[in-house]
Amino acid sequence: QVQLVESGGGVVQPGRSLRLSCEASGFTFSSYAMYWVRQTPGKGLEWVAVISYDGSNKYYTDSVQGRLTISRDNSKNTLYLQMNSLRVEDTAVYYCARKRTVGTGKGGFDYWGQGTPVIVSS
Amino acid sequence: DIVLTQTPLSLSVTPGQPASISCQSSQSLLHSDGRTYLYWYMQKPGQPSQLLIYEVSNRFSGVPDRFSGSGSGTDFTLKISRVEAEDVGVYYCMQCIQLPITFGQGTRLEIK
Repeated sequence: QVQLVESGGGVVQPGRSLRLSCEASGFTFSSYAMYWVRQTPGKGLEWVAVISYDGSNKYYTDSVQGRLTISRDNSKNTLYLQMNSLRVEDTAVYYCARKRTVGTGKGGFDYWGQGTPVIVSS
Repeated sequence: DIVLTQTPLSLSVTPGQPASISCQSSQSLLHSDGRTYLYWYMQKPGQPSQLLIYEVSNRFSGVPDRFSGSGSGTDFTLKISRVEAEDVGVYYCMQCIQLPITFGQGTRLEIK
C-alpha cells in the first residue's frame, strides 16, 4: 500500500534552516509528481511546492520562493524540503502528498503523509 | 489566486441523516481539457488526509458510496447520504486547475 512518512521537523530559531524528508513506499516513486502542503490553525491548508516526477520542474507559493527548495532523490524514493531563512510564519505541520496521476499535467493529491511539525520560535 | 468558500463551517448531524457541504469558487474550475479540477478531502485528527472525491464527482478507491460529489463551474457540493460515526472530521475542498493550489476553510462535521 502507498505510504508517505515525513520526518525532520522540530523547533528552530528564526533565520535558521531545517530539512524535511518524505520517504515513499508502495508505489513507483519516480513516476509521480510530489507536493508539500502545510497547515496552521490560523490559515488552514496551504500548498507550498510541487516537483515533477523527474525533478525537472518545480513551483512554489510566493511566500516561500527563494527560501524553501523542493527536491527529490528517485534512487532513494525520498522527497525533500530544504527550509532556509525560516520565519515565525513558517510554523506549521508540513505534509507531503502524491499527485493522483502519473506523469505531467494537472491533478490533485491522492495520498498524504501524517505530517511533521515545524515550530519557528526564538 | 482562486478563493474557495465553504459553507457551513461546522455541521452537527444525527447518525443516519444526510449532510451537505457547499464549496464556491471565485473562478470557474472547468479546464479546456474538459475536466473540472475540484477535489474533496477528509481529515481526522492524527491521521493523514483522505481523498474522497476527485474532479467533482469521482469517488476515490475505497470511499463508501454514501459519499457523492456534484456541481459545475464555480459551485460544488459534497453529500453524505447517511452520516455514520466514523465520518467525524474536517472536510476540505481543493482546486488544482491553476497554481497556487488553494483550499476551502474546512467544514467540521460532528455527530449529535
